[in-house]
Amino acid sequence: AQSVAQPEDQVNVAEGNPLTVKCTYSVSGNPYLFWYVQYPNRGLQFLLKYITGDNLVKGSYGFEAEFNKSQTSFHLKKPSALVSDSALYFCAVRDENQAGTALIFGKGTTLSVSS
Amino acid sequence: ETGVTQSPTHLIKTRGQQVTLRCSSQSGHNTVSWYQQALGQGPQFIFQYYREEENGRGNFPPRFSGLQFPNYSSELNVNALELDDSALYLCASSLVGGQGALSFYNEQFFGPGTRLTVL
Repeated sequence: AQSVAQPEDQVNVAEGNPLTVKCTYSVSGNPYLFWYVQYPNRGLQFLLKYITGDNLVKGSYGFEAEFNKSQTSFHLKKPSALVSDSALYFCAVRDENQAGTALIFGKGTTLSVSS
Repeated sequence: ETGVTQSPTHLIKTRGQQVTLRCSSQSGHNTVSWYQQALGQGPQFIFQYYREEENGRGNFPPRFSGLQFPNYSSELNVNALELDDSALYLCASSLVGGQGALSFYNEQFFGPGTRLTVL
């Protein structure tokens, strides 16, 4: 069965330090992977996606993600965290059992950046 | 370019009632999806409409139904509300088609959600 796992409920980093939010996935075919961020009382905002091509994907607000097929991972990274990056982050994979663009989301990881 | 909008923002209903949630897609988008996000969980796919027809459905009972209109706005209807239906309901739109098969993997743009509370 397809699934997305975010093993950490919360990640704490100091402002200016690098951050990593982890994501692993399980699909039978090619993975199509996404990262979204959710701020309080707001919908999800798209950060980046991996469809094909380079394993390092660059996205919005200085975020990037590294696709690793052998480890079935798609970790979100940022070289220098900002306090304003504090939010709830979701990893998602396209549901290959659906005809359209349905996504399967992980449970989310709360990122807390301290000043 | 306008974003995805949803109405109402908040809604309180009692068990057994029916509710209709509304979504206006981002300009130019032809696909709309609905997700349910329970407290502390990731969004779960309910269904998707493409050119006014349902083309995908998640593991939700038939009392969850929807419509997509020619202007690509959309409704989510839930009948016989249950306490477990209390959640944030998110609408997402995307553009599919016109760019080949990879267009099915275009990102979705989400609205701010409707918070439904069932008492």
